[in-house]
Amino acid sequence: QVQLVESGGGVVQVGGSLRLSCAASGFSFSNYGMHWVRQAPGKGLEWVAFIRYDGSDEYYADSVQGRFTVSRDNSKNTLYLHISSLRGEDTAVYYCAAGYTYGPADYWGQGTLVTVSS
Amino acid sequence: SYELTQPLSVSVALGQTARITCAVDNIGSKNVHWYQQKPGQAPVVVIYRDSRRPSGIPERFSGSNSGNTATLTISRAQAGDEADYYCQLWDGNTVVFGGGTKLTVL
Repeated sequence: QVQLVESGGGVVQVGGSLRLSCAASGFSFSNYGMHWVRQAPGKGLEWVAFIRYDGSDEYYADSVQGRFTVSRDNSKNTLYLHISSLRGEDTAVYYCAAGYTYGPADYWGQGTLVTVSS
Repeated sequence: SYELTQPLSVSVALGQTARITCAVDNIGSKNVHWYQQKPGQAPVVVIYRDSRRPSGIPERFSGSNSGNTATLTISRAQAGDEADYYCQLWDGNTVVFGGGTKLTVL
């Protein structure tokens, strides 16, 4: 069955960096675009970034542009999110999700928690 | 920036019909997707492209989109439908989520 498993979350200080990973299985990863979506504690969903199925293009929310970088390795069925210059407001559960460009996010992982401490 | 407006909360009596709205100017020209999220769980698509239902989603869930408002309708509401619901669309090359609506089944 479809599985998306995020990892790499943890506690990091303000200004620090982290790399999140999302391991995919059970579907044709290389045919799907991939999102990162985050959810701060007790808050709603916030879209972070999207990368096309072949990695040819990346799109970012204004709030993370220039600090976050999404990438993928289709040979490893893995999605990444490099996050830097972390701020308190980046504290959230980070989900990866699979979906076609301009379509819904069909498959979601269970998320990984990033906590930014001062 | 593009903002989708949802009511913070909607209440519905057991077995009745709940309607959750998502509003922005000319939303009817966009494809709107709806997600259900239960506490501690990842979101699940319940409606995509305004009114299409993924396999496994009950027929009680339906959607419409016209003018300035998209609507998720849940008929014969059940206790298990209690959750947060989010609308979502693509605005150019970015994705926008609504603020979310907490559905309470009384």
